[in-house]
Amino acid sequence: AQSVTQLGSHVSVSEGALVLLRCNYSSSVPPYLFWYVQYPNQGLQLLLKYTTGATLVKGINGFEAEFKKSETSFHLTKPSAHMSDAAEYFCAVSDSAAGNKLTFGGGTRVLVKP
Amino acid sequence: DGGITQSPKYLFRKEGQNVTLSCEQNLNHDAMYWYRQDPGQGLRLIYYSQIVNDFQKGDIAEGYSVSREKKESFPLTVTSAQKNPTAFYLCASSIPGPRRRNEKLFFGSGTQLSVL
Repeated sequence: AQSVTQLGSHVSVSEGALVLLRCNYSSSVPPYLFWYVQYPNQGLQLLLKYTTGATLVKGINGFEAEFKKSETSFHLTKPSAHMSDAAEYFCAVSDSAAGNKLTFGGGTRVLVKP
Repeated sequence: DGGITQSPKYLFRKEGQNVTLSCEQNLNHDAMYWYRQDPGQGLRLIYYSQIVNDFQKGDIAEGYSVSREKKESFPLTVTSAQKNPTAFYLCASSIPGPRRRNEKLFFGSGTQLSVL
């Protein structure tokens, strides 16, 4: 079984400040890891994903995440927050043997203050 | 433009009533999924289908039913057996890779279901 824990259901950052969203996972097999963003009243969009290879993954909109196996973590960061980053962010893990089924974390809502 | 269309955007259900949420995709994807989103719980998988005429239960399938008669369509029926149907429902699709490597999911814009 797989599970994902996102620390903090709400995060508030100032415009221009660092965005850090924490994600820890558990998986009995090598995981595939994802970050999705959801803007109000919309579906989810993929920010970035880790499959194999380089552990630092760069995604869209200036976001990046680092896979740390020893810490079972896949934290999402962005050096400088923009007002348009206000959204809900979901971390997800998948078991490669199960195809494309994803297990999602509870989500973190980001508020950006001017 | 290619994409996933969910309808309606808002849906209301009366007690004891079955309602069906529509999901159509023109991306030529083989796999389709239904997720339920509740505040603070993230998304949970209801049903998924890897190919036409085949589908499997996800983590919370009780009270729901699906069909996959066509590649582009994967409707979800919320039955009267689902006692807490109020939620935001998201449909997704993807192309499973040749080695079952994970491909990204494409999501629809969702349907908000509420109970009257």
